[in-house]
Amino acid sequence: GQNIDQPTEMTATEGAIVQINCTYQTSGFNGLFWYQQHAGEAPTFLSYNVLDGLEEKGRFSSFLSRSKGYSYLLLKELQMKDSASYLCAVNDNYGQNFVFGPGTRLSVLP
Amino acid sequence: DGGITQSPKYLFRKEGQNVTLSCEQNLNHDAMYWYRQDPGQGLRLIYYSQIVNDFQKGDIAEGYSVSREKKESFPLTVTSAQKNPTAFYLCASSIDDGGGTDTQYFGPGTRLTVL
Repeated sequence: GQNIDQPTEMTATEGAIVQINCTYQTSGFNGLFWYQQHAGEAPTFLSYNVLDGLEEKGRFSSFLSRSKGYSYLLLKELQMKDSASYLCAVNDNYGQNFVFGPGTRLSVLP
Repeated sequence: DGGITQSPKYLFRKEGQNVTLSCEQNLNHDAMYWYRQDPGQGLRLIYYSQIVNDFQKGDIAEGYSVSREKKESFPLTVTSAQKNPTAFYLCASSIDDGGGTDTQYFGPGTRLTVL
């Protein structure tokens, strides 16, 4: 079956670094996405990994290990506006099917 | 500005009524999707369409219907057969070039409440 796991909630302090983990078991793999979603709003695209390794984009980085079915999103120099839910999603090989995890709600405290 | 629009932002309906949610995109994207999001849960795929006049059921298609008569538009009808329709509905689109994975971009969402 298709399954994606993420921690439900995390808390961190402004200025700190936080790592949000995602593990997946899908019938196929054609890329992993991270999205940020503020409450009541649409998800916005953060990063995409299809090969193993680290992708860096400003304060955000995303890592992928396909052999382990594992990814993480690293947020540096946390700001209050980073308080949001972070969604991990995998595109399996079945057409354009994207499987989403439940999301991790991150609270950044002053 | 290019983007995806959904209307209305908030929608109320009485139990037993059908309701149609609008989704329009001017990004010239081939593929469009409808997701449902419930509190504390991930997005669940209702329907998706890769080309005009063709669409596929997702994981939770029962009680929903769609059409794709134009590339820009992918309306979703929530029918009275959907037993628990109160949720946040998100529309997304992506370019399907057939060569791999394409990023999905989301509209602002419609929050449907059944009274």
